[in-house]
Amino acid sequence: IAGITQAPTSQILAAGRRMTLRCTQDMRHNAMYWYRQDLGLGLRLIHYSNTAGTTGKGEVPDGYSVSRANTDDFPLTLASAVPSQTSVYFCASSDSAGGGNNEQFFGPGTRLTVL
Amino acid sequence: GQNIDQPTEMTATEGAIVQINCTYQTSGFNGLFWYQQHAGEAPTFLSYNVLDGLEEKGRFSSFLSRSKGYSYLLLKELQMKDSASYLCAVFDSNYQLIWGAGTKLIIKP
Repeated sequence: IAGITQAPTSQILAAGRRMTLRCTQDMRHNAMYWYRQDLGLGLRLIHYSNTAGTTGKGEVPDGYSVSRANTDDFPLTLASAVPSQTSVYFCASSDSAGGGNNEQFFGPGTRLTVL
Repeated sequence: GQNIDQPTEMTATEGAIVQINCTYQTSGFNGLFWYQQHAGEAPTFLSYNVLDGLEEKGRFSSFLSRSKGYSYLLLKELQMKDSASYLCAVFDSNYQLIWGAGTKLIIKP
């Protein structure tokens, strides 16, 4: 059982380029999330999806877009990368988007550097 | 605004006990989580509290006081492998997780 996989593991990208970070889960979870993690800051939610076919904006959505065509995949796209998007990106999933002990499971992360 | 405060860094000795505090100010409250994150790795779930009181799970315990907006994570019988960052996160009124910046715990022999 893989859980959540992310690709690539790391990437160096020139400013202005388009980039898609991939995320796939095999737990049949309904909800999926994209976070960025920067030194000294907490995880910040970029976009989320409560169920396949729906997406929503998190705390820092500008410059990013997502799609959720099916339950398993939740790609994150940077349309035109800028240096401030240099960060570690984590994809996560949970059984549902509601309350309760709704533990989020995290992928291994993608380390992105924009030059 | 929404805010979660944790100490930036703590140091403790192998075999000892350490308490990591978390205070929160959020728009609503629907539960509090603690996660562990080793350097260069993904966060992993440790505990969940939604009612006041202490939840014990092996060497780790988590406490919640909703009236004080306060939680702590207690780690007993510290081992070197407990060296990691510990993240506090709160479900707000919209069931979005608000994360603290994390507490880096350094264990010394």
